[in-house]
Amino acid sequence: NAGVTQTPKFQVLKTGQSMTLQCAQDMNHNSMYWYRQDPGMGLRLIYYSASEGTTDKGEVPNGYNVSRLNKREFSLRLESAAPSQTSVYFCASSWTSGSGNEQFFGPGTRLTVL
Amino acid sequence: RKEVEQDPGPFNVPEGATVAFNCTYSNSASQSFFWYRQDCRKEPKLLMSVYSSGNEDGRFTAQLNRASQYISLLIRDSKLSDSATYLCVYDQTGANNLFFGTGTRLTVIP
Repeated sequence: NAGVTQTPKFQVLKTGQSMTLQCAQDMNHNSMYWYRQDPGMGLRLIYYSASEGTTDKGEVPNGYNVSRLNKREFSLRLESAAPSQTSVYFCASSWTSGSGNEQFFGPGTRLTVL
Repeated sequence: RKEVEQDPGPFNVPEGATVAFNCTYSNSASQSFFWYRQDCRKEPKLLMSVYSSGNEDGRFTAQLNRASQYISLLIRDSKLSDSATYLCVYDQTGANNLFFGTGTRLTVIP
């Protein structure tokens, strides 16, 4: 099992460009998440999908959109990238979204917006 | 005030030493607690869950004090491979995500 995979690993964008970060999991998990990690701050939730067909905003959703394509895949889209979106993005999944469930993380995407 | 407060370190300790990290949290609705480990430029991985009665996993001991709203992680007989950033994490009843501290960096020195 590959666990949680993310593409691309690295990306450089110019301000105003758009891109989609891809995430897939092969653990048959119901819930998936997108976080960003910035220096001096803990991981912060952007969006999550508690189950296939549902998505909800997290702590920092502005400037992002998501799609839960199917049970395996959860993508994050930046429509018009800004320098403030320079960050490391992690996708995660868990069996359910309830309390006490371990989340498994992908290797991350390092995004730089110039 | 941050939801989760951790001493960022770095903690530089010799091999074989015992080291302890503390973490305080501000939300009394916090439900479950965890320590995650994150190696440099890698993803976070669950190290251990933290239970009210305290729990141990080999060289690692975690404790939770709900009254004082802190959790701790004790590492005995430190190994070079323990060098990493340790993230204090919790979730809440009814919430769908984890809340992360900024992490405490540990370097074990030969």
